[in-house]
Amino acid sequence: GESVGLHLPTLSVQEGDNSIINCAYSNSASDYFIWYKQESGKGPQFIIDIRSNMDKRQGQRVTVLLNKTVKHLSLQIAATQPGDSAVYFCAENSGGSNYKLTFGKGTLLTVNP
Amino acid sequence: SAVISQKPSRDICQRGTSLTIQCQVDSQVTMMFWYRQQPGQSLTLIATANQGSEATYESGFVIDKFPISRPNLTFSTLTVSNMSPEDSSIYLCSVEEEDEKGYTFGSGTRLTVV
Repeated sequence: GESVGLHLPTLSVQEGDNSIINCAYSNSASDYFIWYKQESGKGPQFIIDIRSNMDKRQGQRVTVLLNKTVKHLSLQIAATQPGDSAVYFCAENSGGSNYKLTFGKGTLLTVNP
Repeated sequence: SAVISQKPSRDICQRGTSLTIQCQVDSQVTMMFWYRQQPGQSLTLIATANQGSEATYESGFVIDKFPISRPNLTFSTLTVSNMSPEDSSIYLCSVEEEDEKGYTFGSGTRLTVV
């Protein structure tokens, strides 16, 4: 079936470096994508989203890139901080009457001081 | 964004018993969802809680095991019935924000079945 997956299950970076977390999706009908951050013992927290009519969207210290040609999504975190340590999930939605979010497997980001 | 309160935040239950999880939202929302997150894994949608009608279940989830109520636009419950250790998971409530502002999640209920 259709699925969303991540290339890297774990990522370890030094404080201050930039982090890039990748996600591959297989449903070409997906038109809405979200990145979530989940800290231990908490629910997923919305970070940033992007719709399929865009290829880049920026937030505070975060950028999401969407490449529809190769069905690839990435989350870039600038000047990574220890507080960024968490599991990051990408999620997709195929829109219309399909309100369901399909989640990727998650990447554990560890920021070393 | 909507603020979601889930109760209980965690529980340890005996096998064969049932647990009802509550989800309260601080605003009226059309779409409410229940997810399961097994240990170390991603989130899987259990069902969509529809106000005024039966919930819509995803493949692999059935009403007898996970009955859901949605009495109004701010509240829903999920019951995990006849629990077994395999039901040990985090159960999360989610709502779709209005004006295409994404989906917000509650903090989850960490369930351990012994």
